[in-house]
Amino acid sequence: KQEVTQIPAALSVPEGENLVLNCSFTDSAIYNLQWFRQDPGKGLTSLLLIQSSQREQTSGRLNASLDKSSGRSTLYIAASQPGDSATYLCAVIRFSGGYNKLIFGAGTRLAVHP
Amino acid sequence: DTGVSQNPRHKITKRGQNVTFRCDPISEHNRLYWYRQTLGQGPEFLTYFQNEAQLEKSRLLSDRFSAERPKGSFSTLEIQRTEQGDSAMYLCASSLSGKAYEQYFGPGTRLTVT
Repeated sequence: KQEVTQIPAALSVPEGENLVLNCSFTDSAIYNLQWFRQDPGKGLTSLLLIQSSQREQTSGRLNASLDKSSGRSTLYIAASQPGDSATYLCAVIRFSGGYNKLIFGAGTRLAVHP
Repeated sequence: DTGVSQNPRHKITKRGQNVTFRCDPISEHNRLYWYRQTLGQGPEFLTYFQNEAQLEKSRLLSDRFSAERPKGSFSTLEIQRTEQGDSAMYLCASSLSGKAYEQYFGPGTRLTVT
């Protein structure tokens, strides 16, 4: 059974710090991996999608890497800002039963204070 | 707004009552997914539709839960005889068959059972 773990569970940092959020998964037979952002009481916003043949993706101040062999992904946030405060969710994507199944970690709750 | 919409956004009900939620996917998306997210956890898959056909149901979807997508457009999720353990955020997502790895999420319906 695929399990997804995110460390740390919560993080509080001053503005301007560079951050690394970690995601590990038990089954390397994944299709893709995706990072989402969730603001309190809201739905999910996709940040970065890494296909299984890729090692990393970048968007602005965000960079996500994927190492399937070790079952790990990291999300790097450069020069953090208070607006980055949210929960960050990692999801592994497996092709199962004719569709892409997302299996989520519990998330990392990030607070960036001025 | 051309994204995924869900109604209502919040629902408070007494234990034992029935509730129904609605999801309107992005108009051209033929795949629709329901997830449940409890406090401090990531979303968990409940069920998946391709057009009007319900193709997979999670073991989380007990007999008290039923989902429909009668015309292959909007979907409803009904919970009968609600229990306090049903309190959660119910998220809907949609995607295109050709880009099934890109699921777009709605804002969710938060259910509180008292």
